[in-house]
Amino acid sequence: NAGVTQTPKFQVLKTGQSMTLQCAQDMNHNSMYWYRQDPGMGLRLIYYSASEGTTDKGEVPNGYNVSRLNKREFSLRLESAAPSQTSVYFCASRGGQGEAKAFFGQGTRLTVV
Amino acid sequence: GEDVEQSLFLSVREGDSSVINCTYTDSSSTYLYWYKQEPGAGLQLLTYIFSNMDMKQDQRLTVLLNKKDKHLSLRIADTQTGDSAIYFCAESLTGNTPLVFGKGTRLSVIA
Repeated sequence: NAGVTQTPKFQVLKTGQSMTLQCAQDMNHNSMYWYRQDPGMGLRLIYYSASEGTTDKGEVPNGYNVSRLNKREFSLRLESAAPSQTSVYFCASRGGQGEAKAFFGQGTRLTVV
Repeated sequence: GEDVEQSLFLSVREGDSSVINCTYTDSSSTYLYWYKQEPGAGLQLLTYIFSNMDMKQDQRLTVLLNKKDKHLSLRIADTQTGDSAIYFCAESLTGNTPLVFGKGTRLSVIA
């Protein structure tokens, strides 16, 4: 049982390049989330999807787009990367109403130069 | 809006108990969590508590919730060097809403 799988684990981009971070979960969870973690800032929510077919902005959505491709997969796209997007990105999933537990992937460490 | 506050650092001696504290602002929060993050790793769910509970114990971990003061604590008994990590407090209003995290408490265990 893999849980939440993120790819890639590491990435270096040049300013202005685009890329998509992939996330897949095998727990049949309804809700999925993208967070970024920066030193001293904790985890901040970028976007989330409460259920298949819906997405909503979080605290820091600027510069990002998301796609809930199906129930398993939730991708995060950077259209034109900026150095301020250098961060560690975490995907998480959760069962939905009545389900307390939220599980995280291992993270994608992104550096924009 | 929702906000979660934690102290940033805690240092304890091996074998002592550690107590990590957290306060949150939204009294409607239904779920409250503690996650552990080791260097270079993702977040590991340690435990969680429903807002209608006062206490939850799981082996060396004890979670206390004071709903009136909106205060959550995590006690780690017999703290070991392997407990050195960042501990995040988080809250969620419902089973569908996102988790809101504190900035994390870095626990250092001195041998």
